[in-house]
Amino acid sequence: DGGITQSPKYLFRKEGQNVTLSCEQNLNHDAMYWYRQDPGQGLRLIYYSQIVNDFQKGDIAEGYSVSREKKESFPLTVTSAQKNPTAFYLCASSMKQGGNQPQHFGDGTRLSIL
Amino acid sequence: GIQVEQSPPDLILQEGANSTLRCNFSDSVNNLQWFHQNPWGQLINLFYIPSGTKQNGRLSATTVATERYSLLYISSSQTTDSGVYFCAVYDYKLSFGAGTTVTVRA
Repeated sequence: DGGITQSPKYLFRKEGQNVTLSCEQNLNHDAMYWYRQDPGQGLRLIYYSQIVNDFQKGDIAEGYSVSREKKESFPLTVTSAQKNPTAFYLCASSMKQGGNQPQHFGDGTRLSIL
Repeated sequence: GIQVEQSPPDLILQEGANSTLRCNFSDSVNNLQWFHQNPWGQLINLFYIPSGTKQNGRLSATTVATERYSLLYISSSQTTDSGVYFCAVYDYKLSFGAGTTVTVRA
């Protein structure tokens, strides 16, 4: 089945450690996105990518990094510079970036600090 | 950036009741989506609705883009409808409202 796969479902980070969240899609979508959700709030955009080897910062990019070496993959690294990383992270994709294409979401990764 | 406001913030329903959720947005948008986030965190696409009315089973949505609002109707609610409903609008990116938490009691 076509879809978006995020792994792991749960992740724990020690102080000072970088961790990487995986997002893979087999929908042949050009655009991919990373969002952060804090309890009781909506989603906020971290980074997005319209095409391979290109990505742009969203509203809350500080302390995060991404890469887009393959069309189907868009990993997110939460660096030690992100002082409050505990949150629910959601990856999404769309056929192309922009308002005429709906976004489809993975099941998310919950990140906690040890 | 564009502001998205959803109301009410919380809604408690008895099974079988009908309800309306509202989404107001502050500027012209390219498009609008409604999502349901279930208790496990999964975000499910409900509607992709730039204007007009769409129906899917017991759910329907109406967007009046010229007046900058959208409505989501839930009819004959079931306990499985519980969760958080988000409205999200596109200008150059997807901006989410804070959501409406719906609890349906048996």
